[in-house]
Amino acid sequence: DSGVTQTPKHLITATGQRVTLRCSPRSGDLSVYWYQQSLDQGLQFLIQYYNGEERAKGNILERFSAQQFPDLHSELNLSSLELGDSALYFCASSGFLGGRGNYGYTFGSGTRLTVV
Amino acid sequence: DAKTTQPPSMDCAEGRAANLPCNHSTISGNEYVYWYRQIHSQGPQYIIHGLKNNETNEMASLIITEDRKSSTLILPHATLRDTAVYYCIVLQSSNTGKLIFGQGTTLQVKP
Repeated sequence: DSGVTQTPKHLITATGQRVTLRCSPRSGDLSVYWYQQSLDQGLQFLIQYYNGEERAKGNILERFSAQQFPDLHSELNLSSLELGDSALYFCASSGFLGGRGNYGYTFGSGTRLTVV
Repeated sequence: DAKTTQPPSMDCAEGRAANLPCNHSTISGNEYVYWYRQIHSQGPQYIIHGLKNNETNEMASLIITEDRKSSTLILPHATLRDTAVYYCIVLQSSNTGKLIFGQGTTLQVKP
């Protein structure tokens, strides 16, 4: 158990639908990162939140959005789903910015999204 | 952040040391070298990181050249469970903190 909890582990939904993926960071970690990994593709950074505020954005589609709540858990919302959105979605958390090389990125086990 | 270059794949015999190279010729003075691995479809796992000194932990050793333009991750006694994709990432300490993954090296440990 890495300490980062992602739910659900698996999700099957139809095209056009909307889903919400949830991430609980490791205790004490303020930053949450979302990544997408399509079949046989690399890990693509989507977005980062730090203590409730958006800190960095990557290749995140406009149909996707995220937020981090006061208790530091985060949700990734995917809407108007397309077949190409089928992928593994990983969440990671880290403790702080700066310091000794930002040590402490921990990844969850991911949510496997299948759009049919 | 500096880009990294890794060989796409490597083989290693079980029980032998696995040496995974990484080139980061444009690395700057405040950038760290991180290594992560991903075992089939699992979340990436932190291995080790360093700035300029060699580092060792219970999983691996990291050797960084004196000019810091390349590094080598060493798994001293590779097992079949070490078969994974290994990622070398360079990251500024003052960065927003996001890890940008390249294609990595697929290490196949063979019996």
